[in-house]
Amino acid sequence: SQQGEEDPQALSIQEGENATMNCSYKTSINNLQWYRQNSGRGLVHLILIRSNEREKHSGRLRVTLDTSKKSSSLLITASRAADTASYFCATDEGGAQKLVFGQGTRLTINP
Amino acid sequence: GAGVSQSPSNKVTEKGKDVELRCDPISGHTALYWYRQSLGQGLEFLIYFQGNSAPDKSGLPSDRFSAERTGGSVSTLTIQRTQQEDSAVYLCASSSRQTIGEQFFGPGTRLTVL
Repeated sequence: SQQGEEDPQALSIQEGENATMNCSYKTSINNLQWYRQNSGRGLVHLILIRSNEREKHSGRLRVTLDTSKKSSSLLITASRAADTASYFCATDEGGAQKLVFGQGTRLTINP
Repeated sequence: GAGVSQSPSNKVTEKGKDVELRCDPISGHTALYWYRQSLGQGLEFLIYFQGNSAPDKSGLPSDRFSAERTGGSVSTLTIQRTQQEDSAVYLCASSSRQTIGEQFFGPGTRLTVL
């Protein structure tokens, strides 16, 4: 089952602008993660936020988590052409080890 | 150090044939996962191995799918009597107890069933 729902499905912005992607989920979680995928192959882990955290930063990435709304957002600041990829949120459904992924947001950064 | 590796990177097979996909996890990682990514379907969990515990097979779509993990390391995903709907990218991931939650993914195997 796909727990995470992401929006937008596709986002196209100019280089240098900020990109915001949102994710919603349905059940309780211990943590939520964001992954990036280039060219439909392997996923790269970006950041993990625990259920007792509200915001986390890593370089140009900022993740927020609102457990009352069961939603998260990923902000990429000062975007670069190399940020072009698909971004997925993933949750540990009910604390299980397996990840449940959203459908992903396809981000395109135009030079 | 080496990451998760998968082989083959691409596999084309005929409907009805059996295929085996291999995953070499990061050395020392006790947990190993298989996921499938189909066009328009997103990523779906297939099976999870943790140490010597019984695997979580709850995501396997049919009894044509099976997986083994030998010696707590290498894993093989086997699909018997392949169907066209099995065409997808099969991704393997591993994790350790030290990196709670984070999974490290391999490059995937793209399976095409003609």
